[in-house]
Amino acid sequence: NAGVTQTPKFQVLKTGQSMTLQCAQDMNHEYMSWYRQDPGMGLRLIHYSVGAGITDQGEVPNGYNVSRSTTEDFPLRLLSAAPSQTSVYFCASSYSGDDEQFFGPGTRLTVL
Amino acid sequence: RKEVEQDPGPFNVPEGATVAFNCTYSNSASQSFFWYRQDCRKEPKLLMSVYSSGNEDGRFTAQLNRASQYISLLIRDSKLSDSATYLCVTRNSGYALNFGKGTSLLVTP
Repeated sequence: NAGVTQTPKFQVLKTGQSMTLQCAQDMNHEYMSWYRQDPGMGLRLIHYSVGAGITDQGEVPNGYNVSRSTTEDFPLRLLSAAPSQTSVYFCASSYSGDDEQFFGPGTRLTVL
Repeated sequence: RKEVEQDPGPFNVPEGATVAFNCTYSNSASQSFFWYRQDCRKEPKLLMSVYSSGNEDGRFTAQLNRASQYISLLIRDSKLSDSATYLCVTRNSGYALNFGKGTSLLVTP
């Protein structure tokens, strides 16, 4: 199993550009989530999904969209990037809400 | 105020030392508690769950005090490979995890 994979590893955007961060897992996990990690802030939940077709907002959802059309994939979309979205983005998945969450290797995003 | 508070450190300890980290959480309804480990520029990985009765995994011992809303992690006989950031994490009634900012540990030869 590859576990949780994320692409790209690094990305530089200009303010106003859009892009999609990809996340996939091959563990048949129902639960998936997106976090961002900023220096001195810890990880904060952006959006999460408890199954295909179901998504919900986390602590910091503004500026981000998600969808979950399959169990395996949970892409995160930035519609109009802003410098405040410069961060490291981690995708995570778990079998259930109580189980260990497995994290992907992260995407380092810089918005100029 | 952040839901989970930790001393950021850094804690610099020699190999073989015992080191303890603490964290406090503000939500009395928190149901699950964890310690995650994060190496530099890597993803967080679960180190251990924390149970009310306390639990041990090799050189690592975790304690939970629900009355004081306090979680601890003790590392005995520190190894160079223990150098990392340790994240205190809680979960309330839903799915979302609440992360502390992390405590940095550096074990030196």
